Formats: sequence, C-alpha cells, structure tokens
Amino acid sequence: KAGVTQTPRYLIKTRGQQVTLSCSPISGHRSVSWYQQTPGQGLQFLFEYFSETQRNKGNFPGRFSGRQFSNSRSEMNVSTLELGDSALYLCASSSNGEAYEQYFGPGTRLTVT
Amino acid sequence: GNSVTQMEGPVTLSEEAFLTINCTYTATGYPSLFWYVQYPGEGLQLLLKATKADDKGSNKGFEATYRKETTSFHLEKGSVQVSDSAVYFCALSDRAGTALIFGKGTTLSVSS
Repeated sequence: KAGVTQTPRYLIKTRGQQVTLSCSPISGHRSVSWYQQTPGQGLQFLFEYFSETQRNKGNFPGRFSGRQFSNSRSEMNVSTLELGDSALYLCASSSNGEAYEQYFGPGTRLTVT
Repeated sequence: GNSVTQMEGPVTLSEEAFLTINCTYTATGYPSLFWYVQYPGEGLQLLLKATKADDKGSNKGFEATYRKETTSFHLEKGSVQVSDSAVYFCALSDRAGTALIFGKGTTLSVSS
C-alpha cells in the first residue's frame, strides 16, 4: 500500500505571496491532519479534516486554511506569506482520525524569502 | 491544556550503550502517549505507543511505559546502534483525540 504523499517536496516563495500544498492520504484513509515543524516552535498541529469536514483546529491565524476533497486528498493554503511561515509542513492520514493511527508523509519544505 | 516536556539534547552515545530519553506530560483525562522518530530528511515514523496507564509500548528494541502516577513515558533501549541516530519526539493526543501534541524533540547521535 502506498504511503502518504505530499507535493511539492520543496517550495520557495516570496513574502506576501500565497501557497498551496497538497497531500494524498493512504488509500482508504478518510482523515488528514496537517502539522507545521519549525526549529523554534517545534511540531504544531494546524487542522484535521475528516470526510471533507474540518473537525479540529490548532492555534494558527486565519491565513492558514485547508480543505479536503471527496477522494480524501487535502490541500492547505497559506495566504500573505510571512518569513516566519518558513517550515516543514507535514501531512498525516488515518482511517478514522484517531491520533494513534496517524501515518506521516515526508513533508513539504517551504522557504519564504 | 495538554503538553509534553522532554529532555533537551543532543544525546551522544557510543554503540551498544543504554539509552534513556525522559518525557513527562500534563493532561486532562487519559490521553494516548507516543514516541515518534524522524530520520534526516524524512517525515515522522511512529516508534511505539501506549493507550492506557501501565501499558508498555515496544518496537525495534525500544520500550516505554505509560506511568500515570509520575505522568511519564520515558523511552529506553538497552543497546543502541549507529542506525538509531535520529530525532525522537514524545507526543500525546489532545482532548479531542484527533491531534498530536509534541515535545521539542531530542537528537540522538550514536558513534561506532
């Protein structure tokens, strides 16, 4: 079974631009979660989607948004990029959204200049 | 809210040494506890988990026991290998049970 895939793997954007990251979960998994990893703040939960509905949300500003499609693929969008948004963005999927079943993708490395 | 504190790194060991990485948590209710490992340039891999008090998670020679009385979930391995060099994260589930709350991570470096 293929694992969680994330595209693109690397991205460079300019401050003020917006960016969209994509995540394809493991086949059959209906839940997708997003995390941000930075050297200063560590790993922080962004949001979780299950069957196209956002069920859980972390403490991030409204510039960070996401959505999930009927095939369970998910995208996250960051608008008006700031230098502090430079991070590794990790996606995790699970069959039912339970934390103990989450499988992580390799991440998208976003650099904001 | 729920939170995790794990020992600062880096931890530097010789091959075959004993490893302990301390992890304590603060939580309401009864969260599940996890150890994840991140190898250079890769995402997170679940190493082991425990879902209730006194449970022992184990995998690849690593062990951790869910201690409710001391709110701890320390990671141990009896004999580390060079291939164990990585960053280790202790985590717990949030109150909704769908998100993970991570510690800051501990870098382990094992030399031969």
